Amino acid sequence: EPEVTQTPSHQVTQMGQEVILRCVPISNHLYFYWYRQILGQKVEFLVSFYNNEISEKSEIFDDQFSVERPDGSNFTLKIRSTKLEDSAMYFCASSEAGTGGETQYFGPGTRLLVL
Amino acid sequence: AQSVTQLGSHVSVSEGALVLLRCNYSSSVPPYLFWYVQYPNQGLQLLLKYTTGATLVKGINGFEAEFKKSETSFHLTKPSAHMSDAAEYFCAVSEWYSSASKIIFGSGTRLSIRP
Repeated sequence: EPEVTQTPSHQVTQMGQEVILRCVPISNHLYFYWYRQILGQKVEFLVSFYNNEISEKSEIFDDQFSVERPDGSNFTLKIRSTKLEDSAMYFCASSEAGTGGETQYFGPGTRLLVL
Repeated sequence: AQSVTQLGSHVSVSEGALVLLRCNYSSSVPPYLFWYVQYPNQGLQLLLKYTTGATLVKGINGFEAEFKKSETSFHLTKPSAHMSDAAEYFCAVSEWYSSASKIIFGSGTRLSIRP
């Protein structure tokens, strides 16, 4: 069964450093998403992406964050200058369509620790 | 804005007992509702979803949920718990914009199974 994959599974970085989290969505999916889960808190929506542009973003997704689909298979989340509070599990998801009832398929996550 | 409330951050049941995880939603429009499960060190997996039609929804691993509009609830049940059901369960609602949707998660319920 097709699945969303994410790399790396764990990343440790120093505050102020740039990090890039990578995702390979399911191949025929057209909508891509990033969510994050700070330890002990809810899973929160960050951004949705379709047709090479951001469809929707949350207030968390400030200028420090960016997303890109650099080629036909990868979808990346970049944090330009990491802060301690960026430490979280980051989940990538994808779906065939963007309608409300559409299933989003999640990857296993990247655990980011900012020191 | 839509929201989801899960009652009980931790539920513990004996193996073979009924599992009941409670979820209430708030939505101004007919909701799309989901239950996701997260096993330790894994991503979010869809258990089941309600979009339209039959209000009793059956999912994977013997789980089912019933959409009750009058109670704004979408409780998850399983008649007989198995040790392998131990995981974190998230109720969620989908919020749909003109170009894409996003999932709003509840805070999660950790299910423990006693031998």
